[in-house]
Amino acid sequence: QLQLQESGPGLVKPSETLSLTCTVSGDSITSSSYYWGWIRQPPGKGLEWIGSIYYSGRTYYNPSLKSRVTISVDTAKNQFSLKLSSVTAADTAVYYCARLYCGGDCYSWSGYMDVWGKGTTVTVSS
Amino acid sequence: QSVLTQPPSASGTPGQRVTISCSGGSSNIGTNYVYWYQQLPGTAPKLLIYTNNQRPSGVPDRFSGSKSGTSASLAISGLRSEDEADYYCAAWDDSLSGWVFGGGTKLTVL
Repeated sequence: QLQLQESGPGLVKPSETLSLTCTVSGDSITSSSYYWGWIRQPPGKGLEWIGSIYYSGRTYYNPSLKSRVTISVDTAKNQFSLKLSSVTAADTAVYYCARLYCGGDCYSWSGYMDVWGKGTTVTVSS
Repeated sequence: QSVLTQPPSASGTPGQRVTISCSGGSSNIGTNYVYWYQQLPGTAPKLLIYTNNQRPSGVPDRFSGSKSGTSASLAISGLRSEDEADYYCAAWDDSLSGWVFGGGTKLTVL
């Protein structure tokens, strides 16, 4: 059974870099039908897609965050990671990792979120 | 401001049928599939409807989705107390090359 588990610091100082890792179990991150992605949810607010990555390294990023975001994949560890630089209080949120199913067309989009991790809370504060 | 527009709240009594709307544009709902996610209090979102109107295994047939033009709807029939949750619509946006969500609709079962 597929499981995704987010991990990383729960507190990050303003202007620093937020770093999170998602460990995938029950499936290979090199599966050709899937992207892997990050979505966040500020307290009391809605969902915001951050970006997605294919095992080959191909990425899609939210244009509003693109200048600060890097998503990478480690196929040996079956993990993928998020780095968000120059954080402010507005980046305080629950961060979810997810699997995205792209099926037979993984070249024109990143697929849809079909399985989510439980989420991890990140607070930006000094 | 979310790219997709949903009503912030909806309500109904047990057994009733309720619908939640989601309005977008030509670059997202107008040309791509719509997805719906259910978020129970304190939990992660869960896929409820994919490719406009398909239910994943385990989702009751009380939940149904539809799409017309640049709008979509989620219908819940035979409303139950456990349906009380936040519901989000989502679509791929070709102009942004990324996912956009609705602001979410909080469903209250009275």
